[in-house]
Amino acid sequence: DIVLTQSPALAVSLGQRATISCRASQSVSTSSYNLMHWYQQKPGEQPKLLIYDASNLASGIPVRFSGSGSGTDFTLTINPVQADDIATYYCQQSRELPLTFGSGTKLEIK
Amino acid sequence: EVQLVESGGGLVQPGRSLKLSCLASGFTFSNYGMNWIRQAPGKGLEWVASISSSSSYIYYADTVKGRFTISRDNAKNTLYLQMTSLRSEDTALYYCASLITTVAFDYWGQGVMVTVSS
Repeated sequence: DIVLTQSPALAVSLGQRATISCRASQSVSTSSYNLMHWYQQKPGEQPKLLIYDASNLASGIPVRFSGSGSGTDFTLTINPVQADDIATYYCQQSRELPLTFGSGTKLEIK
Repeated sequence: EVQLVESGGGLVQPGRSLKLSCLASGFTFSNYGMNWIRQAPGKGLEWVASISSSSSYIYYADTVKGRFTISRDNAKNTLYLQMTSLRSEDTALYYCASLITTVAFDYWGQGVMVTVSS
């Protein structure tokens, strides 16, 4: 199974940049696609897709969210961070079965 | 507007069965793959099962293989998860999620709670 490793928490000041990382135990990229996706989950709500294929913004997501990376190392960036961004962020790979998620990074305000 | 509404959850004893449903609307259900994903209380997300648009391809996580069955009725716009031999570790909020615009889970239901306890 592909294991995705995320830091448990990140504290950032409002208006600053947040960088959330996800490292895969093996490559999740093909010759054409980087099959890593990012979700936001606020308390009591269902997850919401933010970024697909590593860098593509999902529909309706603000442009202050962006994603990058390839192979085994991926990053979700929020710039600038707003109060509404307080949530847990999960990465997920669809390169191979079983589909796996990272353990989540909880974004906190400093 | 895409909507996914789960139902069928509840409290069930270990070893018993339960069937979840997910009613889809706002898109052509029969054209897209669907999935079940669960989240144990206070924990992260775990993929459970996937089914292709015509049910030709079905995949399961090892933790549920042989006990859970994913299915769909395209005429009723409904996704199902038949769960048997339930264990305490199956206690979770179960979400259905679609694959409409990408290979990522682009739309999610609100979830339905399953509690396995005596």
